Parts: sequence; structure tokens; C-alpha cells
Amino acid sequence: NAGVTQTPKFQVLKTGQSMTLQCAQDMNHEYMSWYRQDPGMGLRLIHYSVGAGITDQGEVPNGYNVSRSTTEDFPLRLLSAAPSQTSVYFCASSALAGAGNEQFFGPGTRLTVL
Amino acid sequence: GEDVEQSLFLSVREGDSSVINCTYTDSSSTYLYWYKQEPGAGLQLLTYIFSNMDMKQDQRLTVLLNKKDKHLSLRIADTQTGDSAIYFCAESIGREYGNKLVFGAGTILRVKS
Repeated sequence: NAGVTQTPKFQVLKTGQSMTLQCAQDMNHEYMSWYRQDPGMGLRLIHYSVGAGITDQGEVPNGYNVSRSTTEDFPLRLLSAAPSQTSVYFCASSALAGAGNEQFFGPGTRLTVL
Repeated sequence: GEDVEQSLFLSVREGDSSVINCTYTDSSSTYLYWYKQEPGAGLQLLTYIFSNMDMKQDQRLTVLLNKKDKHLSLRIADTQTGDSAIYFCAESIGREYGNKLVFGAGTILRVKS
């Protein structure tokens, strides 16, 4: 199993550009989520999905879109990048939703918006 | 409200014990976790404790939970240079957002040889 994979590892964008951060897992997990990590802060939840075809907003969803057309993939789209979106983005998955289900994290994508 | 706080930095000598502390505010948390993040890497689950437990031991790791004070600690025995990393405390908020984890800001552990 590759676990949770993310691409790209690094990305530099200009303000206003759009891009998609890819996330895939090969563990047949139902629950997937996106977090962002900023210096001096813990990870904050952007969007999550409890299964294919179902997505919902987390704590900081503005400026991001997600879709979940398959169980394996959960891409995160930045519609019009802003410097405030400079961050490290982590994708995570767990077998099921609900407390107690271990979440597995990808290696992260470091995004810089100029 | 949901808030998790940790001290930002801890420095220890190789072979000593390390104790990383965490406080949380949500009394309905059912699971509390410790994650490790090495430079440039994702988060790795180290251990977790269910809220009805006081202590959990896993090899060199000991987790203590004081539910009354909402205080969680991670003790690493015989700390090694490979333990240098950022350690995150997290609580599981399962009643909303599916399986949301609320993280502290992380404690940087530096191990001096």
C-alpha cells in the first residue's frame, strides 16, 4: 500500500492563478479531509468527505473547492490563489468517519503564493 | 469551544526523559492523540488514549490523561536524537465534521547529544 499520496510536493503560484492539489489513497477509506498548517498554529480543517459523492465544509473553506468522484481521490482546488493561502496542505484519510478512526496523513504540499 | 494548547519548545539531553504537555478545552473529546512530524514530512500517529483511560504505555512512550483538569502529557523515556521533531497533541471531535481533529500548535523537541 502506498497509503496517502499527495502531488505536487512544492508549488509556487502567482496571485489569481488557480490550481489543483491532488490527494489519493489506496486503503479504501471512506473518510478523507484536507488540512492546512500555518507557522505557530495547529492544522485547520478545510474540507472533508465521508464518502464518494459527499463533501462538506470544514473550519476554513473559503477560497477552496473539493470533489469526491471516487473513493480513492480527493482533489483540492484553489480557485484564485491569494498570498493568505501560502501554507502547507495535508490530506488525511480514515476508514470511517467518527472519533476513534485513525487518520493517516499524506506527506504534504508546500504552497507559496506570490 | 475547541482549543488545544501546548508549550512551543522543549530541549533535552540524549538519554533523558522528555515530557510534553497539552491542555484541551472540549470535555466531550473521546480520543486524544499524539502525532510526530519530522522535517519535511507528514504527521505520523505515535499513540492515542481513550478518554476513559488514565494512562497508556507503549514501549518508550507513556501517555497520561487527567480528564478533570483536561491535561494530557506524553513522556518519552531514554530520548534519542531521532526523537527530535515536532509533536502535536490533538483531540477528536467526532460529533461534527465527520472525524475532525483539533490540533495544538505543536511542541518542538530538540535532543542534544
